[in-house]
Amino acid sequence: DTEVTQTPKHLVMGMTNKKSLKCEQHMGHRAMYWYKQKAKKPPELMFVYSYEKLSINESVPSRFSPECPNSSLLNLHLHALQPEDSALYLCASSQAGADNEQFFGPGTRLTVL
Amino acid sequence: SQQGEEDPQALSIQEGENATMNCSYKTSINNLQWYRQNSGRGLVHLILIRSNEREKHSGRLRVTLDTSKKSSSLLITASRAADTASYFCATEDMRFGAGTRLTVKP
Repeated sequence: DTEVTQTPKHLVMGMTNKKSLKCEQHMGHRAMYWYKQKAKKPPELMFVYSYEKLSINESVPSRFSPECPNSSLLNLHLHALQPEDSALYLCASSQAGADNEQFFGPGTRLTVL
Repeated sequence: SQQGEEDPQALSIQEGENATMNCSYKTSINNLQWYRQNSGRGLVHLILIRSNEREKHSGRLRVTLDTSKKSSSLLITASRAADTASYFCATEDMRFGAGTRLTVKP
């Protein structure tokens, strides 16, 4: 299984809502990533988990809260988002280490009203 | 944050022609990767080139790396309509270039 799955595919939420994005992989990868991508822009790294521990946080606002409950799952908890947070949120996984190909999920299209 | 610029930002060619995309980066690297993204979807890894390699091939793809100029190029030969996508380079700290939007017309 070489697939990274993300749910939901689309999410619309108000600024006062709390929601979560979910990412799952069963490739035995020990590194997992969250990216944010605005239209016609490259992906921007948000968080990196390595062996279920947060190793990189790219100065992301606290209204985004990542969680890695186990080696196969990665969540992104959302609270009090702003309209400018509307974007495609991509999850990826790889073998641990910087030399490795990342496998991306299809993304969650988030709209904040 | 973004690593560097890609050139051109957009490229439109006819099927069968070759497409060349360039990427510049700012920091020293051990490797550089190229990814492809179909409209609004996840990225797919194409090729990784290490800093001690100057050129690498994979099928119709040819990647070059010039560490003295901090630049890389991706050549797609004999392009097909299915190659229509955005192409990004990424350094090992997963900072992506701005990307080139390639359109291949049938």
